[in-house]
Amino acid sequence: QVHLAQSGAEVKKPGSSVKVSCRAPGGTFDRDAISWVRQAPGQGLEWMGGIIPALGTAKYAQKLQNRVTITADASTYTAFLEVSSLRSDDTAMYYCATGPYYDFWYGEHASRDFYFYGMDVWGQGTSVIVS
Amino acid sequence: IVMTQSPLSLPVSPGEPASISCRSTQSLLHSNGYNYLDWYLQKPGQSPQLLIYLGSNRASGVPDRFSGSGSGTDFTLKISRVETEDVGLYYCMQALQTPNFGQGTRLEIK
Repeated sequence: QVHLAQSGAEVKKPGSSVKVSCRAPGGTFDRDAISWVRQAPGQGLEWMGGIIPALGTAKYAQKLQNRVTITADASTYTAFLEVSSLRSDDTAMYYCATGPYYDFWYGEHASRDFYFYGMDVWGQGTSVIVS
Repeated sequence: IVMTQSPLSLPVSPGEPASISCRSTQSLLHSNGYNYLDWYLQKPGQSPQLLIYLGSNRASGVPDRFSGSGSGTDFTLKISRVETEDVGLYYCMQALQTPNFGQGTRLEIK
């Protein structure tokens, strides 16, 4: 199975920032969404946010949106997750994953939203330790 | 949307069936007819893998002993005959709003 290639492990000080990369096949950038999911030691999965590279649109989990930035570089087929103001509870394995998305418009003011689902290709994970 | 799985621990003998329930506090059925509910398996020491998407669609390469069913707020993942390689943590994930996962169900072999 094809995996996404993530950058290596990081050890960071509290209050600093970390930037993790995820290289995907070119076709993914044209077609799919890329999500970031993390897992603290011994804990469950947490979706952090995602980006649709073809549209340049990102969506974030509400509790993290003030500290997380997700970007994508189409020239290198690489997505990035940056987490700022790191705390000890940001210590986790960080995964990127690709999958389809549903794009729809709704409401009288023509609002737009995206559903990120069916994440079928995952990276190997990047360990981030904040200490 | 809160996702609640049960049971949280599931000991199963090889060859026996297994079933995991996932309930959401809001309907995951969109007006387009799809339920935005996925199932993932995380085997020990590995990245998660997709089993089922949109409630009942088996992902590519997933054995047909895995099936997903349900609609609205109640969903079930069934394994018709458990094999030793099925050990791990099973998660449901809703994708109708900002995605979030259930607590996970640990399947172990008796």
